[in-house]
Amino acid sequence: NAGVMQNPRHLVRRRGQEARLRCSPMKGHSHVYWYRQLPEEGLKFMVYLQKENIIDESGMPKERFSAEFPKEGPSILRIQQVVRGDSAAYFCASSPARTQETQYFGPGTRLLVL
Amino acid sequence: DQQVKQNSPSLSVQEGRISILNCDYTNSMFDYFLWYKKYPAEGPTFLISISSIKDKNEDGRFTVFLNKSAKHLSLHIVPSQPGDSAVYFCAASANPGYGGSQGNLIFGKGTKLSVKP
Repeated sequence: NAGVMQNPRHLVRRRGQEARLRCSPMKGHSHVYWYRQLPEEGLKFMVYLQKENIIDESGMPKERFSAEFPKEGPSILRIQQVVRGDSAAYFCASSPARTQETQYFGPGTRLLVL
Repeated sequence: DQQVKQNSPSLSVQEGRISILNCDYTNSMFDYFLWYKKYPAEGPTFLISISSIKDKNEDGRFTVFLNKSAKHLSLHIVPSQPGDSAVYFCAASANPGYGGSQGNLIFGKGTKLSVKP
């Protein structure tokens, strides 16, 4: 009964490098959401994807950030040319449908930019 | 502009007593509300939810109350246990059919609950 899986759990990057965060949704879930949590803050929505489609990216920074959810394989959140301000916990959630189903979260990836 | 507010950053309660965590919202389009519990270095764990057509939902020791006119909801935990010590997040969403919402969750900043033995 695997839940939402995220890897890596911890990622250290130097400024200017690329970060790739992976998320495998729960079995039977076709909707993936990415959230970011800065220290002492709540989670902030970034992007919502279905297989091969970005449905809502209104929370994504305009530059350097991209996300995909290919037909096969996990969803990927990609951050190019990372800066120190990108240091945060990135959480992925999944749900079975677009309607107001509960979203189930993975353990998160903690990104540290040196 | 915070649409979901948890005004108490922390709450301390004695074991066995009731814990009441509060949450206010400003967006009248919100019609689905959830509470998540989060331990350090882990992802949020779903606790309980409530739709705006109800004013109360109960699941074991957890009860959520919704007051739509006041745009306020609360989570009651009774009796509180030391294992309940965690950060509790309130989250809300609008129906995907309304106003362009895609059902993404809007979170409050959380309340850190400490249950003392």
